Amino acid sequence: AAGVIQSPRHLIKEKRETATLKCYPIPRHDTVYWYQQGPGQDPQFLISFYEKMQSDKGSIPDRFSAQQFSDYHSELNMSSLELGDSALYFCASRRVDFRSEQFFGPGTRLTVL
Amino acid sequence: SQKIEQNSEALNIQEGKTATLTCNYTNYSPAYLQWYRQDPGRGPVFLLLIRENEKEKRKERLKVTFDTTLKQSLFHITASQPADSATYLCALVIGSGGSYIPTFGRGTSLIVHP
Repeated sequence: AAGVIQSPRHLIKEKRETATLKCYPIPRHDTVYWYQQGPGQDPQFLISFYEKMQSDKGSIPDRFSAQQFSDYHSELNMSSLELGDSALYFCASRRVDFRSEQFFGPGTRLTVL
Repeated sequence: SQKIEQNSEALNIQEGKTATLTCNYTNYSPAYLQWYRQDPGRGPVFLLLIRENEKEKRKERLKVTFDTTLKQSLFHITASQPADSATYLCALVIGSGGSYIPTFGRGTSLIVHP
């Protein structure tokens, strides 16, 4: 069965650079979520989209932005990167009218040097 | 805001025994509670969901209980195997409908020794 796809899987950036993370949800899933997980931490909700519109906003810094495109894939844009942005970034997708289960992608490990 | 507490210390058990993990929460009772498994460097994998009006849910060797009075959920793995070794996350969802944002605990690491 198709799963959530994230790219790249690993990313190394310098401070103050920008990064773009991509997420391809499971086909027919209408909702995408972004999470940030630091080492030994719980996944922190950043932002979500339903049918290409932002639906909820969590602890996403102003330096970050995200959008969902017409093909339902989503991108998380991160600017002015800081050392503290180093983390695993997960995307999850869900189909609202089906089950209340989120399917997580494999994550992108971002390292800021 | 909602606070979720899971044992921060790893749970070490012997193969074949039952592992029991605890999730406590404060403030509002969630509409439902979920348990996920997470392996190092990988995304969480959904295991079970239990709603506020349910006391117990089972799936194969897994069992979840939900006590809204105690504000606690217990997650049991019976006949545990070394392959069950992972971090188990509890997640709460307040409300329903259009807004569905699970709030995760930090997880408890389970180590099953052969």
